[in-house]
Amino acid sequence: DAGVIQSPRHEVTEMGQEVTLRCKPISGHNSLFWYRQTMMRGLELLIYFNNNVPIDDSGMPEDRFSAKMPNASFSTLKIQPSEPRDSAVYFCASSPGQGGSEPQHFGDGTRLSIL
Amino acid sequence: DAKTTQPTSMDCAEGRAANLPCNHSTISGNEYVYWYRQIHSQGPQYIIHGLKNNETNEMASLIITEDRKSSTLILPHATLRDTAVYYCIVRVVLRGNNAGNMLTFGGGTRLMVKP
Repeated sequence: DAGVIQSPRHEVTEMGQEVTLRCKPISGHNSLFWYRQTMMRGLELLIYFNNNVPIDDSGMPEDRFSAKMPNASFSTLKIQPSEPRDSAVYFCASSPGQGGSEPQHFGDGTRLSIL
Repeated sequence: DAKTTQPTSMDCAEGRAANLPCNHSTISGNEYVYWYRQIHSQGPQYIIHGLKNNETNEMASLIITEDRKSSTLILPHATLRDTAVYYCIVRVVLRGNNAGNMLTFGGGTRLMVKP
């Protein structure tokens, strides 16, 4: 079975540019999560969706960040305008069911560098 | 969610059992213990989880003390490929349409398996 698929794997861009990260969750999973990982702050949850609806976006750093899930098989995380402090590895994860104890399955991440 | 305490790093000889401890003394009755690991440059990988009873799967065993204030992850025969950061996470399990099985990652234990 295909796991969580993220694209691109690497992104290098100049500050001020718009960045769009993409995620395809595992088929049949109802919940989708976006995380960010940096050396200073570790792994942080940014936002999660249940059945394509954003449930908690309290981890989103500021208005420059936005996330959408137009359907059950696709989500995007957008940064506009990007800044050097946004450089990090961004992970997408999905899990089956609606809540409960089911584990999350992570993609391999997008390594983002803002120059 | 309850806070967890893990050693920063551990070493283990290849072929021997790796025993990774985790303290969660403030755990409450409806909180599960989850273990994930992150191999360099990859997304976190789910290992195992449990509530009260000991659990075993093809990857590892989870031993939870009777008072649930601590647990141990056991990799029975560690290999070089088990070198990774291991995260112990305690999480309340909620159910329903708006529930989210959010994970809060701490610093983890960096396990180095040596030949």
